[in-house]
Amino acid sequence: SQTIHQWPATLVQPVGSPLSLECTVEGTSNPNLYWYRQAAGRGLQLLFYSVGIGQISSEVPQNLSASRPQDRQFILSSKKLLLSDSGFYLCAWSGVGVGEQFFGPGTRLTVL
Amino acid sequence: GQSLEQPSEVTAVEGAIVQINCTYQTSGFYGLSWYQQHDGGAPTFLSYNALDGLEETGRFSSFLSRSDSYGYLLLQELQMKDSASYFCAVRRNTPLVFGKGTRLSVIA
Repeated sequence: SQTIHQWPATLVQPVGSPLSLECTVEGTSNPNLYWYRQAAGRGLQLLFYSVGIGQISSEVPQNLSASRPQDRQFILSSKKLLLSDSGFYLCAWSGVGVGEQFFGPGTRLTVL
Repeated sequence: GQSLEQPSEVTAVEGAIVQINCTYQTSGFYGLSWYQQHDGGAPTFLSYNALDGLEETGRFSSFLSRSDSYGYLLLQELQMKDSASYFCAVRRNTPLVFGKGTRLSVIA
């Protein structure tokens, strides 16, 4: 069966510090991978998605970036965090051409 | 562009039936998905409709009318544990587009 891992579960970072969140998927090959951000009590904002190694599409311009160095690894990064970067970050995967997405447990980021 | 509309909040009584509607405007529509998210947790997939009609999975059912750009999620025999946020999402040729979610509160 497929599983998706994210870490860390919670993170508190000062403004201006760097960020690296990692997501890995097991039990599937060539998944589509996604990064979402969710503010408290709000909907899901798609940040990045990837259909293959090295292929990244950005949905919202911001100070975040994403990379996919391996087939089942997706990394979200920032060089300098802003207060507005606080939120619940969710990684997800899907098969090609299907309607279901499966989410990781999420990382709750607080920027102070 | 694309947009999805769903009610922001719904309250229902334990044991009752509740319907959460979703209307959408999008190009290149392939299907409509539903997700459940409990407070502090990640969204979990509930159902996907690519064709018109009703799909049933236990106490949950999902309906789609492509001609009306409309769908709904039906929850029967409501339980307290069904209190959560429910998101509809449109599948296009690119990533899913999610609605803003409906907060369902089940009361005794």
